[in-house]
Amino acid sequence: SQELEQSPQSLIVQEGKNLTINCTSSKTLYGLYWYKQKYGEGLIFLMMLQKGGEEKSHEKITAKLDEKKQQSSLHITASQPSHAGIYLCGAVGGSNYKLTFGKGTLLTVNP
Amino acid sequence: NAGVTQTPKFQVLKTGQSMTLQCAQDMNHEYMSWYRQDPGMGLRLIHYSVGAGITDQGEVPNGYNVSRSTTEDFPLRLLSAAPSQTSVYFCASREGRNYGYTFGSGTRLTVV
Repeated sequence: SQELEQSPQSLIVQEGKNLTINCTSSKTLYGLYWYKQKYGEGLIFLMMLQKGGEEKSHEKITAKLDEKKQQSSLHITASQPSHAGIYLCGAVGGSNYKLTFGKGTLLTVNP
Repeated sequence: NAGVTQTPKFQVLKTGQSMTLQCAQDMNHEYMSWYRQDPGMGLRLIHYSVGAGITDQGEVPNGYNVSRSTTEDFPLRLLSAAPSQTSVYFCASREGRNYGYTFGSGTRLTVV
């Protein structure tokens, strides 16, 4: 099965600082998904990456998938308290439809 | 569009009781999945379905049954609840492989 390792496990930053969260796979990624979760709530879909070298942005969040399709990074520019939450990467491997997740990164943004 | 609707939001069961967690989506999505989320374990896939009449097991299927008689509904049945099934359960659906999953708001289940 596909295993996803997220780092760091938790992150505390000052408002306005940039930050990066990483997601590394043990196998080739055929679809890499980033989600955000507020405590006690459901997951909000952020972005999906499929091609090696692909990069997508939404507001101040940018996600990249490396050329080998085994690592993705999520970068937040000029963080705000509204960015706080748990960020999860998920992946689909091969020809199956199972979406599996990393354990998440807890982001705290201090005003 | 209501999206993915899960009921109930909270439930307390006694050990050995059975119950069904409901999940419905109104987006005509083919793919649906059930996950459980536990501290330190992340989200783990229980069962999934790629269309009406088709289901398959995920990482942690033991103690759970599913069926998919319609495109809209994907109920999760706990056959005989155990304290180890205390968790937050999420249902999700997506249109196809090139789309992201839409998640429900979750059901918080406690088994005593």
